[in-house]
Amino acid sequence: AQSVAQPEDQVNVAEGNPLTVKCTYSVSGNPYLFWYVQYPNRGLQFLLKYITGDNLVKGSYGFEAEFNKSQTSFHLKKPSALVSDSALYFCAVRDGVNFNKFYFGSGTKLNVKP
Amino acid sequence: GAVVSQHPSRVICKSGTSVKIECRSLDFQATTMFWYRQFPKQSLMLMATSNEGSKATYEQGVEKDKFLINHASLTLSTLTVTSAHPEDSSFYICSAPTGGGWATGELFFGEGSRLTVL
Repeated sequence: AQSVAQPEDQVNVAEGNPLTVKCTYSVSGNPYLFWYVQYPNRGLQFLLKYITGDNLVKGSYGFEAEFNKSQTSFHLKKPSALVSDSALYFCAVRDGVNFNKFYFGSGTKLNVKP
Repeated sequence: GAVVSQHPSRVICKSGTSVKIECRSLDFQATTMFWYRQFPKQSLMLMATSNEGSKATYEQGVEKDKFLINHASLTLSTLTVTSAHPEDSSFYICSAPTGGGWATGELFFGEGSRLTVL
C-alpha cells in the first residue's frame, strides 16, 4: 500500500531563511510523489512532482523538492522563505495501480514570520 | 494548469435539507473525479471516486445514501449531501486527474465548498 508521512504538524521559519518541509513515503513499485499547497478556505494547488529523472525537482513559486530513494524522502525546500508562503502543505503519493488515486499526508502548517 | 471549478464556495443550510455541490472541469474532460472531505486542521479524507457513466465508488465508512454522487458528463460531477445534519458541516473539495490515467498526470482541485448545517 502507498502512504506518505509528514512528521511535523507545524514549521516556523523567519522570512528570508531557508525552509524545509519533510515528507517520507512508503510505496510498492515506483514512487510518484507530489507536493500541494493549501491557503485558508481554498482548494489545493499543485506545486511540483517527481516521476522520474533528476532527484531535484523544481516547481512553482521558487519551491523545489529533493527525492532521496535511500531515505525514502521527498522534502520540500525553498532557499528564502516569504511571509506569503505561510500555508498548509501536503505531500502526496500516487497509487501504483490506479494512477488516478492519490494518498495525502497529514499536512504541515508553514508559518513564515517577518 | 487545468482548471477545476467548484460551486458553491459557501453554503449554509438548515438541518434536514439537502445540499448539492457541483464540480466542473473547465478545460479538460474528466472521466474520473474525486470528492474529499477536510476537517479543521486535518488532512483530506477521500470520500468517493466519481465515474462518468457509472456508479461512484465509495470509501469504507462513507454512507452512499447520505452522500449522493452523480457524474453526469465528462465535465461535471455533483455531490449531494442529503438530509444534512450539523455533523456534516465540513469543507468539501473535488478534484480531477489529468493525464488520462498515466503516471505523469496531476490532480487538480476545485476551490472547495464550506458547508455549514445549522
